[in-house]
Amino acid sequence: ELKVEQNPLFLSMQEGKNYTIYCNYSTTSDRLYWYRQDPGKSLESLFVLLSNGAVKQEGRLMASLDTKARLSTLHITAAVHDLSATYFCAVESYDMRFGAGTRLTVKP
Amino acid sequence: DAGVTQSPTHLIKTRGQQVTLRCSPKSGHDTVSWYQQALGQGPQFIFQYYEEEERQRGNFPDRFSGHQFPNYSSELNVNALLLGDSALYLCASSAAGTGDAEQYFGPGTRLTVT
Repeated sequence: ELKVEQNPLFLSMQEGKNYTIYCNYSTTSDRLYWYRQDPGKSLESLFVLLSNGAVKQEGRLMASLDTKARLSTLHITAAVHDLSATYFCAVESYDMRFGAGTRLTVKP
Repeated sequence: DAGVTQSPTHLIKTRGQQVTLRCSPKSGHDTVSWYQQALGQGPQFIFQYYEEEERQRGNFPDRFSGHQFPNYSSELNVNALLLGDSALYLCASSAAGTGDAEQYFGPGTRLTVT
């Protein structure tokens, strides 16, 4: 059974700092997604990673995929308060399996 | 271009009742997936519909059923509601028929079972 593990589950960081969220998964897949969710809201697609070595960047967020290590990272550069949200990775296999989410709080 | 829409936004039901949630996919999309998201957790896959048939199913009991209509819209039905069915129900659409599996999520329906 496909398992998707994110860490950390909770992350509190200062504005201007850098940090990385990790997403490990247990079976072969070549499609990995990152989503953002604000409280009480739906999921907003951030990145779709389709191949080994894929790297995508949007603003202060950069995502990468290593299919051999079954690992994706979401790197936050110079965090700002507006990035406070919960971030999910999701891996597509038979179905779409989500991680438990990383609740990010960026403090001034 | 309308995105994915869901109705109703909120719903309160009593244990044992039945509920129907509705989803209209994004224009051009032919595949609808349903997810249950309990408070503080990640979404869990319920099932996916394509060409009016259930194509994949997650680990949910038969109380959860669905339907897809010729216009690609979809319904999720839950029978014999339990307190544990309280959650945000998300619908996502994609153009899987064209090989594009990226899913776009609707705003969700918040179901409360009392």
